[in-house]
Amino acid sequence: DTGVSQNPRHKITKRGQNVTFRCDPISEHNRLYWYRQTLGQGPEFLTYFQNEAQLEKSRLLSDRFSAERPKGSFSTLEIQRTEQGDSAMYLCASSLGKTNEKLFFGSGTQLSVL
Amino acid sequence: RKEVEQDPGPFNVPEGATVAFNCTYSNSASQSFFWYRQDCRKEPKLLMSVYSSGNEDGRFTAQLNRASQYISLLIRDSKLSDSATYLCVVEGGNNRLAFGKGNQVVVIP
Repeated sequence: DTGVSQNPRHKITKRGQNVTFRCDPISEHNRLYWYRQTLGQGPEFLTYFQNEAQLEKSRLLSDRFSAERPKGSFSTLEIQRTEQGDSAMYLCASSLGKTNEKLFFGSGTQLSVL
Repeated sequence: RKEVEQDPGPFNVPEGATVAFNCTYSNSASQSFFWYRQDCRKEPKLLMSVYSSGNEDGRFTAQLNRASQYISLLIRDSKLSDSATYLCVVEGGNNRLAFGKGNQVVVIP
């Protein structure tokens, strides 16, 4: 399977714990995006990378959230001191990085904070 | 004002009928526009890009109105398999894509 891969598919954690998600984009894609989606809402932009450089972060992203893409391939998204409001589907997407081209999404990581 | 606004619906459509919906966007400098489809509990997938001249792909037609800052999607001869949420997507600057809430379409037999 050469699509975007996300792990884990589901994560249940207690409030206050740290969690880390991983995204493996399509191998030749140099852009990688993180989005968050809650029920009844569209995906909400969190951050994106061009190769290993993090080019933009949403103003909605608190200091508890950090993302890395150290070698320009896979990416991790860490949430520290999780809160119940962090419960959502975290979606990763990648693209070649050309204008007007489509994003390929992974299946997402569903986070539940108890 | 939100970057992309859509009326979530649901839009209940008899099988075989036509349904159309719009979304509005706030950034007049946006250059790229798309419609994505999202099935229940699945990831979004590109349905079609929206060009200035409008475009058509089978039963689906997309239009862009830059003056009024909206894009539209029309589905003709609705099939049961068209039931999904249709997400309006607009480039929000710096290659970031902003998604609307989505229009939920339910095709009824």
